[in-house]
Amino acid sequence: DVKVTQSSRYLVKRTGEKVFLECVQDMDHENMFWYRQDPGLGLRLIYFSYDVKMKEKGDIPEGYSVSREKKERFSLILESASTNQTSMYLCASSFGIQKAAKNIQYFGAGTRLSVL
Amino acid sequence: GQQLNQSPQSMFIQEGEDVSMNCTSSSIFNTWLWYKQDPGEGPVLLIALYKAGELTSNGRLTAQFGITRKDSFLNISASIPSDVGIYFCAGHIQGAQKLVFGQGTRLTINP
Repeated sequence: DVKVTQSSRYLVKRTGEKVFLECVQDMDHENMFWYRQDPGLGLRLIYFSYDVKMKEKGDIPEGYSVSREKKERFSLILESASTNQTSMYLCASSFGIQKAAKNIQYFGAGTRLSVL
Repeated sequence: GQQLNQSPQSMFIQEGEDVSMNCTSSSIFNTWLWYKQDPGEGPVLLIALYKAGELTSNGRLTAQFGITRKDSFLNISASIPSDVGIYFCAGHIQGAQKLVFGQGTRLTINP
């Protein structure tokens, strides 16, 4: 089974702190994604990566950065956390288009971040 | 960013009732996916559709890929308490690396 593991289920941080959210997948997927989920707003894409050291902005990249040094690991970084970044963060992974895969994204269990 | 129009946004039903939800878009998709998210968890894939007109079932769930390739629906028959959660549709455009997600349908079931 595909496994996408997010390092923390719950995090509480203070305003101004630097926050790292880690995600690891075990299916050798090329693509990895970070989403933010807020009530009534669905899943909004923050950043995605289609290869090691490659990244592309999603729909709401402001206030976030990412790092992908290894294929299996994708990190989301909040340089200076703010209260409006309190949310559920979901990581996902999928095969790249070159593998003619079935376009399925597999999700982690999520990290609920509270910024006080 | 681009989003799918998913409706309804929420549903409150009695146990045993059938449920229907749908997604529409102005874009043509080559894949439609339906996910379910249990409270406090990440979304899990329920059904994947790859051909226009395709009708696929997974237990009490049935989903269809619309003929125009711009819409899809999901039906749940004889709902049970564990069906509670948020259901998301997602579409994939040929050549894209990303999925486009609907805003979700929150299903609540009264026993």
